[in-house]
Amino acid sequence: GENVEQHPSTLSVQEGDSAVIKCTYSDSASNYFPWYKQELGKRPQLIIDIRSNVGEKKDQRIAVTLNKTAKHFSLHITETQPEDSAVYFCAVGGSNYKLTFGKGTLLTVNP
Amino acid sequence: GAGVSQSPSNKVTEKGKDVELRCDPISGHTALYWYRQSLGQGLEFLIYFQGNSAPDKSGLPSDRFSAERTGGSVSTLTIQRTQQEDSAVYLCASSLVAGTQETQYFGPGTRLLVL
Repeated sequence: GENVEQHPSTLSVQEGDSAVIKCTYSDSASNYFPWYKQELGKRPQLIIDIRSNVGEKKDQRIAVTLNKTAKHFSLHITETQPEDSAVYFCAVGGSNYKLTFGKGTLLTVNP
Repeated sequence: GAGVSQSPSNKVTEKGKDVELRCDPISGHTALYWYRQSLGQGLEFLIYFQGNSAPDKSGLPSDRFSAERTGGSVSTLTIQRTQQEDSAVYLCASSLVAGTQETQYFGPGTRLLVL
């Protein structure tokens, strides 16, 4: 089955700095790559997703890049703010419904 | 509109007891998923429903776990003879169209503690 590795497991940045979280996957047939944000005690919420026919997608301060050849994708958050502090999960989907999640990255943005 | 809801929000039970966890998906969503999230871990897929049928039960950890969905809406996850290792947050998600990659909307989860 699909294997998803996510790094780093924890990330601490100063407010205003950028944060980058990376994920690798094993199944070359995978074609859907969402990112979820989970604040403490809250439900995971989709923040951005990308499909395999696109190399990069941006939404305000958040961007995702995809390298299908190398089988990795990354989440980029610019101008970080304290409210960006949360656990971020990458996920990988294939031709069916199933998502395989990474183990998460705890991002702390220090004021 | 209303999002995915789950009940109870918290459940404390004794080892060996059975528990039922409920999920109300977003109205009109045909696909429903159950995940388990242990402390500091990612989301572990348990089962997927397409309408009322479950084409993939591969993630259920043991035969003590079962789930059903009725009327294409509400789903119940049942854990029989609970064990301490079952303690986790159980998350439900739904998406609009079954069988495709659509955004999954999560419920708030049920925090299960088995003593």
